[in-house]
Amino acid sequence: QVQLQESGPGLVKPSETLSLTCTVSGGSVSGYYWSWIRQPPGKGLEWIGYVYYIDTTNYNPSLKSRVSISIDTSKNQVSLELTSVTAADTAVYYCARQGAHYGWFDPWGQGILVTVS
Amino acid sequence: DIQMTQSPSSLSASVGDRVTITCRASQAIRNNLAWFQQKPGKAPKSLIYAASSLQPGVPSRFSGSGSGAEFTLTISSLQPEDFATYYCQQYNGYPLTFGGGTKVEIK
Repeated sequence: QVQLQESGPGLVKPSETLSLTCTVSGGSVSGYYWSWIRQPPGKGLEWIGYVYYIDTTNYNPSLKSRVSISIDTSKNQVSLELTSVTAADTAVYYCARQGAHYGWFDPWGQGILVTVS
Repeated sequence: DIQMTQSPSSLSASVGDRVTITCRASQAIRNNLAWFQQKPGKAPKSLIYAASSLQPGVPSRFSGSGSGAEFTLTISSLQPEDFATYYCQQYNGYPLTFGGGTKVEIK
């Protein structure tokens, strides 16, 4: 079955750019929506945005000015960049497959904790 | 944004109890609602989509109901492995949003 694995730095300095990669195994990234979702420690879930195919993206307006999500079909990976980070961006970041534009998330990666400090 | 409000935020229950969690949307979302289970240190796991459709492999003691703006997740007989936090998520409008979670603890 499809498995997702997030990777990237666990510590980012304030004002710098957070960059994460989600590697998909057991299936192709092509033809699906891929979302990033985050969860601050002890708090709830926030949808960040999705990428579909190469050039279709949709971002949460609360983060739109700072976020970029892209897809690399040759590596079967989805990437997240979040610029100008602050302590408020400290969270566990998850990638997940989204079934459709109006869809839910399944499966999810295990998540990666990113601390801004 | 569509606000999702879950109640209660936490509950204590015993093994074998029937548990019901409510999720209310700030506007009608048809049946475009999913439920997730999250255990400490783990990613959320999809339980239910389209308000009442069980994901393959999810035990039948879990059920979902509702349409419009009010939804419920019911666990008919709570098992030890069900102690977790449960989240609802709407996918009727953007941005996609989640409820604040309901933590189910052991009494």
